[in-house]
Amino acid sequence: DAGVTQSPTHLIKTRGQHVTLRCSPISGHKSVSWYQQVLGQGPQFIFQYYEKEERGRGNFPDRFSARQFPNYSSELNVNALLLGDSALYLCASSAGPGSPQHFGDGTRLSIL
Amino acid sequence: TQLLEQSPQFLSIQEGENLTVYCNSSSVFSSLQWYRQEPGEGPVLLVTVVTGGEVKKLKRLTFQFGDARKDSSLHITAAQPGDTGLYLCAGIRAGNNRKLIWGLGTSLAVNP
Repeated sequence: DAGVTQSPTHLIKTRGQHVTLRCSPISGHKSVSWYQQVLGQGPQFIFQYYEKEERGRGNFPDRFSARQFPNYSSELNVNALLLGDSALYLCASSAGPGSPQHFGDGTRLSIL
Repeated sequence: TQLLEQSPQFLSIQEGENLTVYCNSSSVFSSLQWYRQEPGEGPVLLVTVVTGGEVKKLKRLTFQFGDARKDSSLHITAAQPGDTGLYLCAGIRAGNNRKLIWGLGTSLAVNP
């Protein structure tokens, strides 16, 4: 069975641009969470979606948005990119909120 | 304020040594999860502990959940270079079963 897949794996953008990151959960998982991780630190929670509804939001500005589709895949959108948005963006899927999470390998976003 | 405090933040040891990593909180958790993350990959779930005082073993790794369910430890016996990585704890606070709280991680380097 395929694990959590994220695309693209790497991305380079410039300040002010926007970006869309994509995530496909493990088959049967209905919850998707997005995290931002800077080098050497733990993941910082951005969003959680369950059954296509937002179930949790971390302390991130409104430039960050997300959605979940009927097939439970998800997109994370970031507008007006800043240098500080450079990070590894991780997607995790789980059977439901609070269940153990299975992570993809992330999208490495670099802002120039 | 970090709800889950991990210590030490960094650890560099020689192959064959033993080590313990701690995950502490002032809050009670209904469950705690331990993950390991290797460079370029997403975190991988190692174990979930749910009962106060519970001990789980995974080969050379021993996980313990505190009696009061406020802390957990990970003990590695005879560490090997393959154990190198970022060890993360994450938990669900009692009474709040939707949000996974993350520690900042312990970065472990095992030198041959």
